[in-house]
Amino acid sequence: AQKITQTQPGMFVQEKEAVTLDCTYDTSDPSYGLFWYKQPSSGEMIFLIYQGSYDQQNATEGRYSLNFQKARKSANLVISASQLGDSAMYFCAMRALTQGGSEKLVFGKGTKLTVNP
Amino acid sequence: DSGVTQTPKHLITATGQRVTLRCSPRSGDLSVYWYQQSLDQGLQFLIQYYNGEERAKGNILERFSAQQFPDLHSELNLSSLELGDSALYFCASSSRTGNYGYTFGSGTRLTVV
Repeated sequence: AQKITQTQPGMFVQEKEAVTLDCTYDTSDPSYGLFWYKQPSSGEMIFLIYQGSYDQQNATEGRYSLNFQKARKSANLVISASQLGDSAMYFCAMRALTQGGSEKLVFGKGTKLTVNP
Repeated sequence: DSGVTQTPKHLITATGQRVTLRCSPRSGDLSVYWYQQSLDQGLQFLIQYYNGEERAKGNILERFSAQQFPDLHSELNLSSLELGDSALYFCASSSRTGNYGYTFGSGTRLTVV
């Protein structure tokens, strides 16, 4: 079964510090993709970063980096130099195959990040 | 603005009623996905359309249906509404280029009273 596990319901970090949000995944597909989305209190889903299963290097996008450890099936999000505006829910997701050969995103339950001033 | 447009943003309706949620995908994207986000179930995949055809079904109730029109906009129809259908409904579109990014709309918050 294709599954995403986020074990941290909530995390706190001081402004300007770095924080790591954990994500582990389970899939038997040889090709897959991993995503992180941010959902602020306003509700929209904002794409942050993507890692393909065959990518050799860890993905980075500005202050976001993805610590991809394929053997451990983990795809942790690292946010450097946290800002107050980073306070939000963060979802890890995996692109998974459907029975008909199409694709869908499977989401974890999310981690609520609070950045303290 | 993500480029994916969902209307309406908010919807309040009574049990037993029927509503239609609308989604316009990002320009050039052929795939549209519908997701439901509720407190108890989290983010659940409902259904996918690709260029007008249904491609995948997830945890979509029989009371729910969707379609994608020739101009690629999609509608999600929810009927015989129950209190438990109250949720945030997202539409996402995909281009299958680059990083296979899925772009989400801002969602429709449905409240069934």
